[in-house]
Amino acid sequence: DAGVTQSPTHLIKTRGQQVTLRCSPKSGHDTVSWYQQALGQGPQFIFQYYEEEERQRGNFPDRFSGHQFPNYSSELNVNALLLGDSALYLCASSLDRPYYGYTFGSGTRLTVV
Amino acid sequence: AQSVTQLDSQVPVFEEAPVELRCNYSSSVSVYLFWYVQYPNQGLQLLLKYLSGSTLVKGINGFEAEFNKSQTSFHLRKPSVHISDTAEYFCAVSDTGYSTLTFGKGTMLLVSP
Repeated sequence: DAGVTQSPTHLIKTRGQQVTLRCSPKSGHDTVSWYQQALGQGPQFIFQYYEEEERQRGNFPDRFSGHQFPNYSSELNVNALLLGDSALYLCASSLDRPYYGYTFGSGTRLTVV
Repeated sequence: AQSVTQLDSQVPVFEEAPVELRCNYSSSVSVYLFWYVQYPNQGLQLLLKYLSGSTLVKGINGFEAEFNKSQTSFHLRKPSVHISDTAEYFCAVSDTGYSTLTFGKGTMLLVSP
């Protein structure tokens, strides 16, 4: 049974460009969360999607947006990239039950030059 | 608001020695506590979690942690480490069963022969 799958694994973009990252949740999971992990830091919550709607959002600007599809997969979009957006972006999936726990993907390493 | 402090950025230890990784949290409400491990170029894997009940929690790979409400701590311990335990360890907190996670900055455990 595949876990959480993220694509691409690595990406290099130029300042000002836009990027889309993709996530397929673990089979049976219906909730997807995105985290940003800067170098030397812990992951920071960006937002969470459930039933194709953004349910919670962390302290990130509107340049960060997302989408969840009917098959529960999700995309993270970042517009007007800044050098500071360089990070590992982690997707985590779960069931919409309390304390169920998250399964994390291996992440997408985004480098902005 | 919640926060997590991991007091040590790096902990070097020899193989077969015991280790303790420290974690302190702050929260104005009841908390649920987690330890995750991240191996190089991989996502996060759950080691253990405290939701309620016994304050001593046992996890995978021989790790355990103790919840201390009066000291607001959740330190991770292992009586005898292996080379394969070399990884980054993250402590995290959430304030409800559905809530997202707030992570510490991580502690790099370096196990040498």
